[in-house]
Amino acid sequence: ETGVTQTPRHLVMGMTNKKSLKCEQHLGHNAMYWYKQSAKKPLELMFVYSLEERVENNSVPSRFSPECPNSSHLFLHLHTLQPEDSALYLCASSQGDGGASTDTQYFGPGTRLTVL
Amino acid sequence: GNSVTQMEGPVTLSEEAFLTINCTYTATGYPSLFWYVQYPGEGLQLLLKATKADDKGSNKGFEATYRKETTSFHLEKGSVQVSDSAVYFCALSKTGRRALTFGSGTRLQVQP
Repeated sequence: ETGVTQTPRHLVMGMTNKKSLKCEQHLGHNAMYWYKQSAKKPLELMFVYSLEERVENNSVPSRFSPECPNSSHLFLHLHTLQPEDSALYLCASSQGDGGASTDTQYFGPGTRLTVL
Repeated sequence: GNSVTQMEGPVTLSEEAFLTINCTYTATGYPSLFWYVQYPGEGLQLLLKATKADDKGSNKGFEATYRKETTSFHLEKGSVQVSDSAVYFCALSKTGRRALTFGSGTRLQVQP
């Protein structure tokens, strides 16, 4: 595997389900990100981890819970979601922690989430 | 605050036509600028980048030049192919701010 991978690619869940999204980066990077891409809205940064420490949380509802067990893996745990949470969830990674303008973020293919 | 403005799409071109997708930005200081491409059903792929004024980023026949005097980073390609059909996002990053600021995206449709 190369680059940034995400599983599953598609997920359909009910509002009472609990599921997790997984991201893995094979680039030796130090920072990982979760973004949300909704139809007709700009990409929204949700969380940033640098060296396994959460360094940014952009007012995301508690029904989204991130976990970063090591610098290569990032999870997004989901529970009691709402239909408006349906979106494409993108994971990204960068060499630095994103604080420098020259840090380049590399994205995975995304998980298409549908909440019924 | 920071913002990125892209031309409205969709842009529809015939194969081998010349492509320009306009991108202008608002930011203080010296941001880095990026073009990402999103093919149907996929995530974002970095297409090219430029980190300082007058830099030219290029990849796969696409080019963009960082113009600080006009705060622009227009994407160009001399001869598009059907396989270039995708959504193109212009983005900027600033030191001290981890979130990339994205434009709204421009859909390109190339017809054979």
